[in-house]
Amino acid sequence: DQQVKQNSPSLSVQEGRISILNCDYTNSMFDYFLWYKKYPAEGPTFLISISSIKDKNEDGRFTVFLNKSAKHLSLHIVPSQPGDSAVYFCAASGVDSNYQLIWGAGTKLIIKP
Amino acid sequence: DAGVIQSPRHEVTEMGQEVTLRCKPISGHDYLFWYRQTMMRGLELLIYFNNNVPIDDSGMPEDRFSAKMPNASFSTLKIQPSEPRDSAVYFCASSFGTGGRNEQFFGPGTRLTVL
Repeated sequence: DQQVKQNSPSLSVQEGRISILNCDYTNSMFDYFLWYKKYPAEGPTFLISISSIKDKNEDGRFTVFLNKSAKHLSLHIVPSQPGDSAVYFCAASGVDSNYQLIWGAGTKLIIKP
Repeated sequence: DAGVIQSPRHEVTEMGQEVTLRCKPISGHDYLFWYRQTMMRGLELLIYFNNNVPIDDSGMPEDRFSAKMPNASFSTLKIQPSEPRDSAVYFCASSFGTGGRNEQFFGPGTRLTVL
C-alpha cells in the first residue's frame, strides 16, 4: 500500500515555463513533507520542505504548496531551467512512520530547451 | 567533509555469492539509513540506526539481508546469499537528528547486479 504517490512518472516542460510536480498521500498523520532531487548516478539531495502548519513554503525558484484537506502537495519551479532536469521525490513523515520518511516513486522532469 | 562515502560504486556478482556494501556517514551525524531503489518499488527504507544502534529493520526484505554499524563512522549491508532479484541501487544516507525532520545526506549509491 503506497502511502505517498507520485502518479506522473515523467513530465516534460519548456525551458522558462513553470514546472508543477504533484504528490498525494493517504495518511492524515503525516505532518512533515519534503522534496528531494536526484541526478543520474548520484544520491538524492534535499530541495525543500514544508510543515503541516503551513500551506506554502518558498525558496528561490522553488515553492511547495500543501493542501491538507485534499492530502495533496505540489512543487512549483519557476522559471524552469535545463539544470532542473532530474528525478524529483516527494517524501512524508509523521508519528505513524516513527518520524522516518515514506517516499514516493519519483517523477522524472525533463526541461526542453 | 567529503559527504557520505559508499563502496563499491558498482558490484557484479553471481547468484549465491555474499555481497557486502560499505558506508561511511558524515562525521557528527547520529542517524544512518540504508535504502534500496528499484524501478518497481522506488526508494525503500531497509534499516536505520541511531547512535550506532539499529532502530527499525522492518524494511529488510529477508533474513538474507543484514546490517551492522560497529562504530559511528562505518556501516555495512550484507546480502548472503545474493539472488537476481536483489539487483538494485543501494543508498546509504546520514542525518543529524531524525531523518523525517532533518535533511538526509545521501551517498552516490552502489549499483548491484546479481547474475
